[in-house]
Amino acid sequence: DSGVTQTPKHLITATGQRVTLRCSPRSGDLSVYWYQQSLDQGLQFLIQYYNGEERAKGNILERFSAQQFPDLHSELNLSSLELGDSALYFCASSVAGGGIYNEQFFGPGTRLTVL
Amino acid sequence: DQQVKQNSPSLSVQEGRISILNCDYTNSMFDYFLWYKKYPAEGPTFLISISSIKDKNEDGRFTVFLNKSAKHLSLHIVPSQPGDSAVYFCAASILTGGGNKLTFGTGTQLKVEL
Repeated sequence: DSGVTQTPKHLITATGQRVTLRCSPRSGDLSVYWYQQSLDQGLQFLIQYYNGEERAKGNILERFSAQQFPDLHSELNLSSLELGDSALYFCASSVAGGGIYNEQFFGPGTRLTVL
Repeated sequence: DQQVKQNSPSLSVQEGRISILNCDYTNSMFDYFLWYKKYPAEGPTFLISISSIKDKNEDGRFTVFLNKSAKHLSLHIVPSQPGDSAVYFCAASILTGGGNKLTFGTGTQLKVEL
């Protein structure tokens, strides 16, 4: 158990819908990261927040947005869902915003299925 | 453009022998490298890391080697155990730049047989 929690575990929805994925980091960690793992793309970095502010951005679609709240939990919002958005979404957390030995600890993931 | 590549999708090794997992990268700006292990239905688990100022880092049964000129790193597991059977991901990051974005390879499925 990494100490990172993600809800829900599974989510099934229809195209065009909007969903929210939630992540609680390990106690004491200030950074939260979101990754998408799809069958054909592997693990892809989406976005990082550090202490409430966006720190780094990957190839995150405009239909996707994230935020980190004052209690440090984070939410990833996915809207206008398409079939291709079906994937495993992982959240990770780390102590610092960057640098060496700032290893990321991953949650168990949320499996999103878009029908 | 796959900047981190793991060209072997799978590897089978006998228990007690050495497992060698390989990873190549193309971006010369990468200066920090990590290996993660992933079991089914779980998130990746951090194993070991290495900075580009080193060429070797060891932690128990796990050793990572970095060859910067070849843009290649490898993970050695000695001795291999059945519990090591998992998917292994190589990841790389650029330490400067304000964040800690990880670029992952596609993974190698390791199977350790009795």
